[in-house]
Amino acid sequence: EAGVAQSPRYKIIEKRQSVAFWCNPISGHATLYWYQQILGQGPKLLIQFQNNGVVDDSQLPKDRFSAERLKGVDSTLKIQPAKLEDSAVYLCASSHLYEQYFGPGTRLTVT
Amino acid sequence: KNQVEQSPQSLIILEGKNCTLQCNYTVSPFSNLRWYKQDTGRGPVSLTIMTFSENTKSNGRYTATLDADTKQSSLHITASQLSDSASYICVVSQRRSTGTASKLTFGTGTRLQVTL
Repeated sequence: EAGVAQSPRYKIIEKRQSVAFWCNPISGHATLYWYQQILGQGPKLLIQFQNNGVVDDSQLPKDRFSAERLKGVDSTLKIQPAKLEDSAVYLCASSHLYEQYFGPGTRLTVT
Repeated sequence: KNQVEQSPQSLIILEGKNCTLQCNYTVSPFSNLRWYKQDTGRGPVSLTIMTFSENTKSNGRYTATLDADTKQSSLHITASQLSDSASYICVVSQRRSTGTASKLTFGTGTRLQVTL
């Protein structure tokens, strides 16, 4: 079974630029999550989709972050404009029942 | 407020030794508790998942315990190996309405280093 795929793996941008991350969940998983993990901390949920509907986006900074999951399969997370404090690893995960599977993450550095 | 606290924050042990990591939580209503291992530069990988009725679960050299009354869990690693060096994250799932995927609250993790 293929795992959760994410791209790119690394991205370096300057502040005020835009960036987009892509996630392809495990086939058949209805629930998809985007997390932000700052160095030395646990992941923080940004947004949770069930199929193509948003279940929880309470911690998503909506003034600069947006996410979509068209057709209920893969998803994109966008940051526009980026700030220095957005430097982190962005993890995508998908789940079926209890188990949640994580992708390798995208390490974003904002300079 | 739903919180998950882990201790210690970091730990260094010699190869072959045992260690125990702690997790306290205040998440309610409780659905399940998970322990993840996260190697540097990788996404977390699940080690164990325990529901309310389970008080111990093993996965090889990893044994997790759960006391749902005191809202505490521990992860015991036996005969540690260099490859056990990683962050171990306790995650508690909050039960939601039927048909809605659960919400997870993550601890900040314990960084374990196993040395020769």
